[in-house]
Amino acid sequence: GAVVSQHPSWVICKSGTSVKIECRSLDFQATTMFWYRQFPKQSLMLMATSNEGSKATYEQGVEKDKFLINHASLTLSTLTVTSAHPEDSSFYICSAREGYSYNSPLHFGNGTRLTVT
Amino acid sequence: GQNIDQPTEMTATEGAIVQINCTYQTSGFNGLFWYQQHAGEAPTFLSYNVLDGLEEKGRFSSFLSRSKGYSYLLLKELQMKDSASYLCAVGQAGTALIFGKGTTLSVSS
Repeated sequence: GAVVSQHPSWVICKSGTSVKIECRSLDFQATTMFWYRQFPKQSLMLMATSNEGSKATYEQGVEKDKFLINHASLTLSTLTVTSAHPEDSSFYICSAREGYSYNSPLHFGNGTRLTVT
Repeated sequence: GQNIDQPTEMTATEGAIVQINCTYQTSGFNGLFWYQQHAGEAPTFLSYNVLDGLEEKGRFSSFLSRSKGYSYLLLKELQMKDSASYLCAVGQAGTALIFGKGTTLSVSS
């Protein structure tokens, strides 16, 4: 089945530094990838839609200058949390759909737990 | 606006049957998905409904009524490993999924 690989699994960084999270589709091409954020005991909140070769589309309330998304190829999207602060500590999960049909399920990476100290 | 409601918590015993309900009011609808998520892990896909009716997949079944904005996930022959969060999600135009807050199911022996 379709596999989405996300790296790193966890990261601890100091306030003010930047962190890059990679999301790769291993055995399929993903024109579109989605980035979600999940706080403890909360639902997955869609942050942005990452489109290969074009600018990402951000959800309302998500700062595009703080959460930089780059979708350089059909198998790789990156999320960079710039100037991280403790309130950015969360579980970040990427996902991708295999194929173009809307009824294909999203496949999720294993997530990245970010802790900002 | 977007609104997806499901119970916060449910408990059940091994071998039992449990039904997790989900109601939704969304601006678009391209199908309803159910995911399972264990603590600290990514969600895994369970089922998908786009037409009214029941979809069965082994111990798991999912039902959809579009006119009522209602779905449920039915888990049969519960096992301890079924203890997890179950997420109801609505597909939107443009292929993103909007998730409910999830139902935490605790299965006891």
